[in-house]
Amino acid sequence: DGGITQSPKYLFRKEGQNVTLSCEQNLNHDAMYWYRQDPGQGLRLIYYSQIVNDFQKGDIAEGYSVSREKKESFPLTVTSAQKNPTAFYLCASSNQGVNTEAFFGQGTRLTVV
Amino acid sequence: SQQGEEDPQALSIQEGENATMNCSYKTSINNLQWYRQNSGRGLVHLILIRSNEREKHSGRLRVTLDTSKKSSSLLITASRAADTASYFCATVDIAGNKLTFGGGTRVLVKP
Repeated sequence: DGGITQSPKYLFRKEGQNVTLSCEQNLNHDAMYWYRQDPGQGLRLIYYSQIVNDFQKGDIAEGYSVSREKKESFPLTVTSAQKNPTAFYLCASSNQGVNTEAFFGQGTRLTVV
Repeated sequence: SQQGEEDPQALSIQEGENATMNCSYKTSINNLQWYRQNSGRGLVHLILIRSNEREKHSGRLRVTLDTSKKSSSLLITASRAADTASYFCATVDIAGNKLTFGGGTRVLVKP
């Protein structure tokens, strides 16, 4: 089935550790996005990428890093510099072009213990 | 900061009633989209309206866009218990690169 897959669904991290969240899509989409969602809140854009080997910071990029080495994959690393990393992380992808919808993964819930 | 702000933050209605929620945004856009999220899940696209369109329909959904007021509304007619979810507006910037979401409206439809 075509779609966008995030893994793992739940992730626990000790303070001071880096952790990487996986996002893979087989929709042949050029654009990919990472969002953070806190309880009862909206989505805030962390990073986005329009093409392989290129990405831009979103509104809350501090403490996060990404790579886009392959079209299908856009992993997000939550570094120890992110002071409050506990949140729900959502990955999305869309076709290149302006008037296209985004498809979302099911999310990864990260908890710092 | 978020591009879109939604109003109300929460809405509780009886099954069969209409639900209306509004979205305001700050900068010029290429298009505006509405998404739905069930608790703890990913978002699902509902409808997209381009900046040169004023109204669009899809099934029980009606979306309006007023670019002069930088606002949009989503109307769900004849609501059902299964419509219970959070609804988000999202804007695409003029360059067509950045998809930015608002804070969302939590809708509860009581049977």
